[in-house]
Amino acid sequence: GAVVSQHPSWVICKSGTSVKIECRSLDFQATTMFWYRQFPKQSLMLMATSNEGSKATYEQGVEKDKFLINHASLTLSTLTVTSAHPEDSSFYICSARDPIGQEAFFGQGTRLTVV
Amino acid sequence: DAKTTQPNSMESNEEEPVHLPCNHSTISGTDYIHWYRQLPSQGPEYVIHGLTSNVNNRMASLAIAEDRKSSTLILHRATLRDAAVYYCILRRGTYKYIFGTGTRLKVLA
Repeated sequence: GAVVSQHPSWVICKSGTSVKIECRSLDFQATTMFWYRQFPKQSLMLMATSNEGSKATYEQGVEKDKFLINHASLTLSTLTVTSAHPEDSSFYICSARDPIGQEAFFGQGTRLTVV
Repeated sequence: DAKTTQPNSMESNEEEPVHLPCNHSTISGTDYIHWYRQLPSQGPEYVIHGLTSNVNNRMASLAIAEDRKSSTLILHRATLRDAAVYYCILRRGTYKYIFGTGTRLKVLA
């Protein structure tokens, strides 16, 4: 089946720095990818839709200048958390649709800890 | 987006069947019913999906009520590796999923 891979799996950064998370579709092309955030003991919350070659679409309440999304190729979307603060510590997950089937596949997630 | 309602948690004994319910009373005719599960510190994993008819695959079965206002995910023989949070999601066209709170399944040895 389709595989979506995220890198890194975990990252620790200092407050005020920026962190980039990559989401790759390994064996298929994805014109659209989705980014989610999950806090401990909570459900996934959709942050934004990443569109290849155009601007991302952000959900209400998500700061687009803080969470920069770039989808420069059909197999790669990146999420950059700018000027990270401890409250940005979370589990970030991406997904992409399997072009053959009717389901979305999710990456393994990236655990961000801001200290 | 149509909303789904699931019990917060359920328990099952190992090797026994598990029936995980989901209510979606505001479902529309074009909404697909998808089930995913999430193990600790991992991304969600696809389990099964359907539209109107019951569905079977190697992981589970999906029973959809005739009026489509509810569905049940059936794990035929629960194992310890099935312990996870199970999410029932309605998909209307886009693959932009709105996750509810899900059901935390605990499997007892």
